[in-house]
Amino acid sequence: KAGVTQTPRYLIKTRGQQVTLSCSPISGHRSVSWYQQTPGQGLQFLFEYFSETQRNKGNFPGRFSGRQFSNSRSEMNVSTLELGDSALYLCASSLTASYNEQFFGPGTRLTVL
Amino acid sequence: GQQLNQSPQSMFIQEGEDVSMNCTSSSIFNTWLWYKQDPGEGPVLLIALYKAGELTSNGRLTAQFGITRKDSFLNISASIPSDVGIYFCAGQGNNDMRFGAGTRLTVKP
Repeated sequence: KAGVTQTPRYLIKTRGQQVTLSCSPISGHRSVSWYQQTPGQGLQFLFEYFSETQRNKGNFPGRFSGRQFSNSRSEMNVSTLELGDSALYLCASSLTASYNEQFFGPGTRLTVL
Repeated sequence: GQQLNQSPQSMFIQEGEDVSMNCTSSSIFNTWLWYKQDPGEGPVLLIALYKAGELTSNGRLTAQFGITRKDSFLNISASIPSDVGIYFCAGQGNNDMRFGAGTRLTVKP
């Protein structure tokens, strides 16, 4: 069974630009969560989607948004990029919306210059 | 979300030694999870714990869900060089998932 895939793996953007990251969950998994990981803040929860609906949202500004499609694939978008948005963005999928046994993708390394 | 209290922050051990790390929280959790993360990769699930008091093993790894539901520990026995990495605990409540800051493990051959 294929794992969680994320594209692209690496991305370099400049301040003010916007970016869209993609996540394909494990087949059959309907819940997708997004996290931001930085050396200083560790893993921080961004949002969770289940059945195309956002169930929970972390404490991030409105520049961070996401969506989920009917095939459970998810995208997250960051608009008006800031230097502090440089991070590893991780997507995790689980069977249901209860977070149990989340499986992570390899992440997208975003660098904002 | 708010991080859990994970300790130690880092460990330097000799190959063959046993390792122990733990996580504590002021909140009660329904599930405790332990992950390992290699550089440049996403965390990989090692062990999942679902019941207070539960003790679960996965090869040389053993983890326990604390009786109070506010803590968990992970033990690694007879460490080997490939155990190097960052280990994270995660606690799942009713509507949130929180992570520890990680324990960076270095194993000297």
